[in-house]
Amino acid sequence: ETGVTQTPRHLVMGMTNKKSLKCEQHLGHNAMYWYKQSAKKPLELMFVYNFKEQTENNSVPSRFSPECPNSSHLFLHLHTLQPEDSALYLCASSATARTIQETQYFGPGTRLLVL
Amino acid sequence: KQEVTQIPAALSVPEGENLVLNCSFTDSAIYNLQWFRQDPGKGLTSLLLIQSSQREQTSGRLNASLDKSSGRSTLYIAASQPGDSATYLCAVLTMDSNYQLIWGAGTKLIIKP
Repeated sequence: ETGVTQTPRHLVMGMTNKKSLKCEQHLGHNAMYWYKQSAKKPLELMFVYNFKEQTENNSVPSRFSPECPNSSHLFLHLHTLQPEDSALYLCASSATARTIQETQYFGPGTRLLVL
Repeated sequence: KQEVTQIPAALSVPEGENLVLNCSFTDSAIYNLQWFRQDPGKGLTSLLLIQSSQREQTSGRLNASLDKSSGRSTLYIAASQPGDSATYLCAVLTMDSNYQLIWGAGTKLIIKP
């Protein structure tokens, strides 16, 4: 069983809604990540937090707003999304963000549908 | 810019066969290469991590090889079982990517009983 949990598992929202995705890791890691996975496309890294500080923002539109209150929790706040934002959003964690020795551990994802 | 390609996109084989999944990358300056498995409705699970100085890693019926000079890695699955059905993803940690993994699009594997 993964030590990374995500809620909700499924989310349907209209383009004018505001919602939040939550991720929690129980592995004692210090780095957390948000990825977007669209059908038949490679994973796209969105944000990286290392020791609660954002270290990467890969040109993500401002309608996605991350928040990392501590090393165990990560949120993705969503507002005025577009239909093309429909995807599987995956959270991951690792010991630190700048490691070449260790892998990342993933949550089950939130399947998002924007109508 | 690093690009990772996995061919084929989908593969279906009878149970019991040995099979090979392929991953190629364009920039050989990597720290490591990783293979992950993704089951429907679930997140990714790390299978094997090969450091740039290594040629292969083994875990049970899985064997991953790495040839940096040719930009290729293979994941060998011995005596395949229906439970091996999943999407297999390859990712490389490139030296100029600021420690970000670069991902392939995956190979969807179906093992027929």
